Amino acid sequence: DSGVTQTPKHLITATGQRVTLRCSPRSGDLSVYWYQQSLDQGLQFLIQYYNGEERAKGNILERFSAQQFPDLHSELNLSSLELGDSALYFCASSAHLRNEQYFGPGTRLTVT
Amino acid sequence: DQQVKQNSPSLSVQEGRISILNCDYTNSMFDYFLWYKKYPAEGPTFLISISSIKDKNEDGRFTVFLNKSAKHLSLHIVPSQPGDSAVYFCAASEDYGGSQGNLIFGKGTKLSVKP
Repeated sequence: DSGVTQTPKHLITATGQRVTLRCSPRSGDLSVYWYQQSLDQGLQFLIQYYNGEERAKGNILERFSAQQFPDLHSELNLSSLELGDSALYFCASSAHLRNEQYFGPGTRLTVT
Repeated sequence: DQQVKQNSPSLSVQEGRISILNCDYTNSMFDYFLWYKKYPAEGPTFLISISSIKDKNEDGRFTVFLNKSAKHLSLHIVPSQPGDSAVYFCAASEDYGGSQGNLIFGKGTKLSVKP
C-alpha cells in the first residue's frame, strides 16, 4: 500500500459526458501528479500540482483540467469524453524536493 | 519521439538466475532515473533510483547501473524469484531534487520468472 488513494476504482460513462477523478496523496506529500496509461502509449504525464499550485504540465488535453485543494487532495476533471479517453488514470505523490513518486491504484475509465 | 526506451517488451528467466532489464534514453538533461514494478490492476511501485552523479546503486537483490556516456541504464535482479514477475518501467527526470519532478516513462518490460 503506497498510501495514495484514488476513487473511484472503475468508471463507465458515455461519450460527451464529464467525470471527476479524485486522489488523496500520502500524508505530508505536497506534490501530486496525474498520469494516463493507455494500451499503446504507456504512462504519460498529464499535470503536476505542488501545494495547491500548478507546477508542470505535460500532454494534457484542453478538455481535461485539475486542481489541488487546501487539504492537498486533487481532482482531475475530464469533459466532453471521447472513446479514446478510455484509459487508466494514475495519481502519484512525492515529498518536497524528492523525485521518488508513489502511485495510487488507479482509476479505470471506460468511455462507451 | 520516445525519450526513454525499453526495447525488450518481454523477458523470461529461470528462478535463481539473474534478470537484466535494459533502458536507453535520448535526453542528456535527464539527471535522475528510477525503476518501477507494476502488477496487473495495481499502480506502479517504486523500486530503486539513481542520480546521474553515480554509476551504481544497490538495494538488496536489486542493482541499477548507469552509463551516462552510452545513455543507458540497467536493472539487475539477483537471484530472480517468481514473485518478481511483473512489468518493469524505467523512468527519468530532468529535475533532480527540484520541484518539477514529472517522470518520463518507458513502455515497460514484462518479466516472467519461471520456477
